[in-house]
Amino acid sequence: EVQLVESGGGLVQPGGSLRLSCTASGFTFSNYGMNWVRQAPGEGLEWISFIRSSGSTEYADSVRGRFTISRDNAKKSLFLQMDSLRAEDTAVYYCARETGYIDYWGQGTLVTVSS
Amino acid sequence: EIVLTQSPATLSLSPGERATLSCRASQSVDKYLVWHQQKPGQAPRLLIYDASNRATGIPARFTGSGSGTDFTLTISSLEPEDFAVYYCQQRNSWPYTFGQGTKLEI
Repeated sequence: EVQLVESGGGLVQPGGSLRLSCTASGFTFSNYGMNWVRQAPGEGLEWISFIRSSGSTEYADSVRGRFTISRDNAKKSLFLQMDSLRAEDTAVYYCARETGYIDYWGQGTLVTVSS
Repeated sequence: EIVLTQSPATLSLSPGERATLSCRASQSVDKYLVWHQQKPGQAPRLLIYDASNRATGIPARFTGSGSGTDFTLTISSLEPEDFAVYYCQQRNSWPYTFGQGTKLEI
């Protein structure tokens, strides 16, 4: 069974940093691309970043230069380093597996940016 | 970036009725349109990929159609568990984008 478990969310001040993790199980992690998608409270879904199995990356304009996606295949883990956080980054952050399309989602971790 | 516009924003129907949800792209996405379902307090779940392919375990009452810029998700006979928010998403080009969602309510 495919499982994706996010962690690392919490309360952070504007301008601060946070590192999210997503631990995968039930599939060969190294063979798949992975995404981060977020959802602000009461709002819709926003795709923010993707990393291929090769390690190359894509970013939404809203986070490019502030967020960095990475992976550790040996630990079956996906990461999102978030710097220079803003109030508008407040959201539930989901990791999602990519098989040419997003096919599995984690349960999400809440990030709140507030003073 | 490709903008996806979903209509209607809210659809009020009863169990047993047919639901038709629309997703329109600002430019062609070929067949690369995906539908996800999200229930309150839950993560999204894949329903349909590449416009018309049901994901594993998705009931046959869910049907996707369309290509290019106009896509439709049809639920033939609504079950109580189908009342949720539905998002379309394009995977034709970066950045991936989502529609704003259609809330299907009783």
